[in-house]
Amino acid sequence: DAKTTQPTSMDCAEGRAANLPCNHSTISGNEYVYWYRQIHSQGPQYIIHGLKNNETNEMASLIITEDRKSSTLILPHATLRDTAVYYCIVRVAGNDYKLSFGAGTTVTVRA
Amino acid sequence: GAGVSQSPSNKVTEKGKDVELRCDPISGHTALYWYRQSLGQGLEFLIYFQGNSAPDKSGLPSDRFSAERTGGSVSTLTIQRTQQEDSAVYLCASSSPPGTSVKETQYFGPGTRLLVL
Repeated sequence: DAKTTQPTSMDCAEGRAANLPCNHSTISGNEYVYWYRQIHSQGPQYIIHGLKNNETNEMASLIITEDRKSSTLILPHATLRDTAVYYCIVRVAGNDYKLSFGAGTTVTVRA
Repeated sequence: GAGVSQSPSNKVTEKGKDVELRCDPISGHTALYWYRQSLGQGLEFLIYFQGNSAPDKSGLPSDRFSAERTGGSVSTLTIQRTQQEDSAVYLCASSSPPGTSVKETQYFGPGTRLLVL
């Protein structure tokens, strides 16, 4: 999705936190930030989403800056199974149902 | 609970043959979506079903593509007279009805990998 920019790739050490940045400087007030990931040869997997408050679930934490122009997905203790392409998208919850992913960030977790 | 399931997981067919791909959504999800993902490409929306409403077919690339959803649950995507450019991973997703919950999220199946020779 052209509304977000992410680094092409990043490496992370197993057991360490992985911090994945995403810029969405043109986000509008009713757009949520969503994160998905896609492990090789699998379908996309929903991770987390948020509007303006930080969010945490069993998979990850999402930190959204106060001006909402950027966010960071945090995988607190990366494992080898977290190796995947991570997609950050912005969308209006509700009628904006046609998901579209950009290139995402290829995250490689190394032992 | 069970997630979205798709079958077959892989399909190899010859150019010109018809193929049918099946999707079983998460129980209780009334919204169902089909996407495709070509090698190295992004996600391409194909079609969306919501309850008894007319489907949004705006993403279907040609009239060789069609989809049905019977009984508001299982869906079948049919590709007639397959071409080599149809080779891709076909993904199905389901969700609560868009707009009914701010937390509605699309959950994807594992996909069907179609190869047209």
